[in-house]
Amino acid sequence: GDSVTQMEGPVTLSEEAFLTINCTYTATGYPSLFWYVQYPGEGLQLLLKATKADDKGSNKGFEATYRKETTSFHLEKGSVQVSDSAVYFCALKLNTRDDKIIFGKGTRLHILP
Amino acid sequence: DADVTQTPRNRITKTGKRIMLECSQTKGHDRMYWYRQDPGLGLRLIYYSFDVKDINKGEISDGYSVSRQAQAKFSLSLESAIPNQTALYFCATSDTLMGAWNEQFFGPGTRLTVL
Repeated sequence: GDSVTQMEGPVTLSEEAFLTINCTYTATGYPSLFWYVQYPGEGLQLLLKATKADDKGSNKGFEATYRKETTSFHLEKGSVQVSDSAVYFCALKLNTRDDKIIFGKGTRLHILP
Repeated sequence: DADVTQTPRNRITKTGKRIMLECSQTKGHDRMYWYRQDPGLGLRLIYYSFDVKDINKGEISDGYSVSRQAQAKFSLSLESAIPNQTALYFCATSDTLMGAWNEQFFGPGTRLTVL
């Protein structure tokens, strides 16, 4: 079945470090791919998305490229800040009537000052 | 003001009680969803609704029911709460007119504890 696998956390980095959070997916058809972020005590917010192969989503210094050949959508940021501490969810959505989004289990990120 | 609101934000209840969680949105979206979040499991879909007369079960609907009272309101009920329904519950909305790749917008969540 359709699924999303992302690296387990927590991930702890120092401020200004380079960040990669791996995400791979299994899907029939051609999904859209998303990264959502959840700050403490809040709901999920869309961070970035890509709707077709080779698209790059970017926002707030974060980037992810839709790689169809490796079925991956890894999240990267060149220099993280303490304010980036949150839980990050990779997700996919198929172009089907049920409009369902399938989420990964989430990766908690801690940034140390 | 928040576009998607949920009430209550926190609720503690006892086993066997009936509980209703409410969601309202001012985004004008036609689609609404209820998810639950459990540690280490991500989000799982409980129910979704494409309009007032179109309600569908998600992957974990057992023990839950929903009501779409209006386009802007979507309530989740636990008829007889049990401890394994302790979780963080999220409402979300999306807009059909945005096309097949439309994102979902989430409320702030309701933390439910069943003792």
